Amino acid sequence: DGGITQSPKYLFRKEGQNVTLSCEQNLNHDAMYWYRQDPGQGLRLIYYSQIVNDFQKGDIAEGYSVSREKKESFPLTVTSAQKNPTAFYLCASSPGQDPGANVLTFGAGSRLTVL
Amino acid sequence: QQPVQSPQAVILREGEDAVINCSSSKALYSVHWYRQKHGEAPVFLMILLKGGEQKGHDKISASFNEKKQQSSLYLTASQLSYSGTYFCGTERMAGTASKLTFGTGTRLQVTL
Repeated sequence: DGGITQSPKYLFRKEGQNVTLSCEQNLNHDAMYWYRQDPGQGLRLIYYSQIVNDFQKGDIAEGYSVSREKKESFPLTVTSAQKNPTAFYLCASSPGQDPGANVLTFGAGSRLTVL
Repeated sequence: QQPVQSPQAVILREGEDAVINCSSSKALYSVHWYRQKHGEAPVFLMILLKGGEQKGHDKISASFNEKKQQSSLYLTASQLSYSGTYFCGTERMAGTASKLTFGTGTRLQVTL
């Protein structure tokens, strides 16, 4: 079955450490996204990528970095510069980004806790 | 800019109806609706393109008023399985690509 796999599901980090969250999809989707979810704030866009080797900042990109070296993979690095990294992170993909065609399929999420 | 959803939370008895609203101050191309059950990923319900069409999915339907930049999600004869948090996502053009921005969610609980 096609879908999106995120790992790890739970991650604990000490302050000052970088961590990388994995996101892999086998849906053959062109576009991939990273969202951050905090209680009461909905889903906020961190980064997105429409094609391989290209990505754009979303609304809250500071303290995060991404890469898109393969169509299937879109890892997110939470750097030590991110001041409040404890959150639930969701990866998503869509067939494209044409208006009306960007229906999102989400992964199960990664919960990051900074100790 | 995030769309505004209302209400923030609602509790229903099984079989009752509910309406969730989503409004934006910007001109929209489409509105998406997703449902997220506790601890799970959001799941796509439906998309409404500008043009005012109404869509249905089992006993869940939605409308999009393009003039008012508002969408409403209608849940009729609610079932226990409808419980979860509902998010609207409003789509606007950003240059040559579209951008989807989510609301803060409406938490729906259906009880016996």
